[in-house]
Order: sequence, then C-alpha cells, then structure tokens
Amino acid sequence: DVKVTQSSRYLVKRTGEKVFLECVQDMDHENMFWYRQDPGLGLRLIYFSYDVKMKEKGDIPEGYSVSREKKERFSLILESASTNQTSMYLCASSLSLEGGTSSYEQYFGPGTRLTVT
Amino acid sequence: KQEVTQIPAALSVPEGENLVLNCSFTDSAIYNLQWFRQDPGKGLTSLLLIQSSQREQTSGRLNASLDKSSGRSTLYIAASQPGDSATYLCAGLDSNYQLIWGAGTKLIIKP
Repeated sequence: DVKVTQSSRYLVKRTGEKVFLECVQDMDHENMFWYRQDPGLGLRLIYFSYDVKMKEKGDIPEGYSVSREKKERFSLILESASTNQTSMYLCASSLSLEGGTSSYEQYFGPGTRLTVT
Repeated sequence: KQEVTQIPAALSVPEGENLVLNCSFTDSAIYNLQWFRQDPGKGLTSLLLIQSSQREQTSGRLNASLDKSSGRSTLYIAASQPGDSATYLCAGLDSNYQLIWGAGTKLIIKP
C-alpha cells in the first residue's frame, strides 16, 4: 500500500513565523502535490512537483514556496505565516505522468491542521 | 474551464439503505474520475478510480460509474452502514492533468 506521511497532525504558529510542512511518500512516486482545504472552498492546489527539483504553481501559490530535494520528500514553506493561512494542508502523491491515466491516481496523507495566531 | 459539482451537499439515510451520490462535470474531456472518502479532521482515502475508457469500477459494496457523454459520475453504496458516514469527494482529471474537485457530499448513516 502507498503510504504518505506528513510531519505534523496539528501545528500552531504565530504570525510572521517561517513554517515548514513536510511530506514523505514511500512508493517511489514521481508526482507530489500540496493542497489546502477550507470550508466552503474545497480543495485548492498550491504547488505540485513532477520530479526532483522541479515545481509548478497551482491555483493559489501566493505566500507559499516548495522544495523537493529528494524524490520521496516534498516540503511546503510559509515564508511569513499569516492568519489567512490557517487551514488544513493535504499532501498527495501519484505514480507518474506516463503509463496511462491510472498512474495519475492520487494518494493522500493524513493532513496537517495549521493554526496561525 | 472544468467545473465539478456534487449533489446533494448532505445526505442522511437509515442504516441498510442503498444510496447514490452524484458528481457532474462540465467538460467531457476528462481523463479519469476519482472518488475519495474523508473522515472529519482526516486526510482523503482513495475509493475508486475510473479511467476515461471505462464505464464503472467496483470495490466491495461500492460501485462507481462514469458517463462522459452526459458529464456524470455516480457512487453507489449498497447496504449502508454507520461506518460509511463521512464526506465523499469526487475529482476529475482535466486536460492539464490536474484534479478538479467537487465540494463533497456529507453522508450520515443513522443506526
């Protein structure tokens, strides 16, 4: 089974702090994704990566950056946390961009509930 | 631009009933459709994935169908149980290989 883990289930940070959210997958997946989920807004894609050191902006990249130095690890960085970044953050991975559309099946981690005060 | 809609937003049924959750999409150029389950405060669990060339997929008491021509997918749950209570999300893979998400259906199965 695919396993996607996230470094923290719950996190409380202060406004202006630099925040790191870590995601690790153990199935050699090429693609990794960061979403945020807010009531009434659903899931929104922040950034994704289809290879080591590669990144692409999603729908709402402002205020965030990402890092993928190793294939299994994808980090989301909030350079200066703000209260409007209080949210549930979900990491996902999928196999590859090749091999048919079944390889796009996304597997999710348990989520990190971030509160910025 | 692809849009995905889920109706109803919430559903409450007695235990044991069969039920159908609906997902509609505006653009038939969809590569696959994935159904997920989310328990409160938790991440998403992938339930079923239907590729564009398929019409349905089954896993246990769950059956998902895909009709690209009408822009619809349904998730059928047979013999519902209280443990099925969760939010169910559908997401379609668009031509940019991005998942477009529905807002979810919150399902409550009453014992």
